[in-house]
Amino acid sequence: NAGVTQTPKFQVLKTGQSMTLQCAQDMNHEYMSWYRQDPGMGLRLIHYSVGAGITDQGEVPNGYNVSRSTTEDFPLRLLSAAPSQTSVYFCASRSNRGVNEKLFFGSGTQLSVL
Amino acid sequence: AQSVAQPEDQVNVAEGNPLTVKCTYSVSGNPYLFWYVQYPNRGLQFLLKYITGDNLVKGSYGFEAEFNKSQTSFHLKKPSALVSDSALYFCAVSALSGNTGKLIFGQGTTLQVKP
Repeated sequence: NAGVTQTPKFQVLKTGQSMTLQCAQDMNHEYMSWYRQDPGMGLRLIHYSVGAGITDQGEVPNGYNVSRSTTEDFPLRLLSAAPSQTSVYFCASRSNRGVNEKLFFGSGTQLSVL
Repeated sequence: AQSVAQPEDQVNVAEGNPLTVKCTYSVSGNPYLFWYVQYPNRGLQFLLKYITGDNLVKGSYGFEAEFNKSQTSFHLKKPSALVSDSALYFCAVSALSGNTGKLIFGQGTTLQVKP
């Protein structure tokens, strides 16, 4: 199993540009989520999904869109990038047995918005 | 609202000495508590969790954590630190059961183990 795969690993954008961060998992996990990691702030939940066709907002959803058309994929879209979105982004998945199940994380995408 | 605090930005310890990384939490109801570790340029990896039962939880790589309900703490411990334990450690908490319960992370503590 590859686990959780994120692409790209690094990205530099100009303010106002759009892009999609890709996330795929091969563990048949129904729950998938996106976090951003900023120094001194830990990880903050952006969006999550409990299954194909179902998404919901986390703590910091503004400026980000998600969709879940398949169990395997959970892309994160930045429609108009802003410098405040400079961060490291992590995708994570787990089984749908509940929040007490451990999360499996991808290796992250480092995004810089100039 | 649930929250978690890691009061130390960095913990320094000599190899072979015991280590403690502190975590306190605030939730309504019974907490689910986790520790994750992040090595440089990597994603987070699960270390251990407390759901219910024995207050002392054992996890990966020789780590353990003690749940203390009266002090609302869940400190991470290891009897003898290794240089390879140097990493960023995150405590996380959720108080909601079911599938939509959200995991809230602390700000992280950098552990530096010196030879």
